[in-house]
Parts: sequence; structure tokens; C-alpha cells
Amino acid sequence: TQLLEQSPQFLSIQEGENLTVYCNSSSVFSSLQWYRQEPGEGPVLLVTVVTGGEVKKLKRLTFQFGDARKDSSLHITAAQPGDTGLYLCAGSSNDYKLSFGAGTTVTVRA
Amino acid sequence: DTAVSQTPKYLVTQMGNDKSIKCEQNLGHDTMYWYKQDSKKFLKIMFSYNNKELIINETVPNRFSPKSPDKAHLNLHINSLELGDSAVYFCASSPLAGGPKETQYFGPGTRLLVL
Repeated sequence: TQLLEQSPQFLSIQEGENLTVYCNSSSVFSSLQWYRQEPGEGPVLLVTVVTGGEVKKLKRLTFQFGDARKDSSLHITAAQPGDTGLYLCAGSSNDYKLSFGAGTTVTVRA
Repeated sequence: DTAVSQTPKYLVTQMGNDKSIKCEQNLGHDTMYWYKQDSKKFLKIMFSYNNKELIINETVPNRFSPKSPDKAHLNLHINSLELGDSAVYFCASSPLAGGPKETQYFGPGTRLLVL
């Protein structure tokens, strides 16, 4: 089983502040995905990164895949209350199974 | 239009009972999954079916039996429910064989509470 560790577990910030969530593993992944899950709903895909060193931007969200494809980070600029949710990273190798991290619960206060 | 739907949304039952959860996707996807999310929000794959064939079967007790009557449906039957089965169960689907770059589309979850 490939273990993905996310940090921090909880993050509470004021609207307008920046935040970074980390996802680390000792395993190499073919790809890494970030999902956001809101209370009472299923996870929704935000991004997939596949190349070591890749950086993807989605409006105020910036995703980075580590050079060795073992880690990733999610940075949110000028966070808004709508960014509140559980952020999950998930890695996939050639066995086609997604291994999820335990998640980071982000709360953005208005 | 609901992409991945699950029924029921809530399920409260007594220990020892048998229950089923149903999942349907109208996306035309080939692969469907069952995940379990525990109280600490950890999401773990249980089963995966591709075109009605079982392709992933994680270390799950035999009390859990998935069934895929067609590629749009994947049901989960649980026998002799135990307290530790209490969790949120998510169904998901992906377009092709579930490769590393595919997006998985999740249903809204079924909240199971075993008393």
C-alpha cells in the first residue's frame, strides 16, 4: 500500500490570506491528483499532475508535482470562504489504484 | 442531471443485519468503484469493476460482496453488519480502465451507521 501523508491536518485562516497544503510519500507515482470534498458530498477532482516538476494553475490555486514525483503541494492565494473544504491528494501508479491521503480540512473565515 | 447516484443516502441499522447500497452512473463510463471513508475522512478503495468484471479487490471482509449487473450499475451488499462497518461509502466511476490520468467521478455517498 502506497502511503500519502498530508499536512497540516487542519488549517483555519482569514479570508484574503494564502495557504499551502502538502502531500508527501516515499513512493513514486505516475500521477497525482487533488480533490476537494465539501460536507455531505463526494470528492471532486481539481487537477491531475503527471510530470515531475510540473506546475499547474487553476485561478487562485497553484499545484506543484515534485521533481521525483513523490510529493505535491497545493497553494491557494487570497483564500475565500468558498475555498472551505477537505482537500485530498491521491496518487496512482501502474496498478490503476488511487491511494488517498488522509486529507487537510481547510476553513476560511469571512 | 445526476452523474453518479447512490441510494440510500442514509442507512441506520442494527448489528447483524444484511443491507445493500445501490449505485448508478449515467456517464457511459466503463469502470466503477466502491470506496469507504472512515470517521477520520480517510478514503480507501474497496472494489473496482471494468465492464462488469472485477479488477480491484482490496483486503475487504467476505461479508462485503459487490455486484455489477451492467456497466452502469455497481451495488454493494453487506452481510452480518458490524459496528466497524459504520462509515460513508462512496461509489465512483471513470471513463476507461481507471488509469493514472483518469478523472474519477464520485457519488454523494451513503452514510451507514450500525448500532
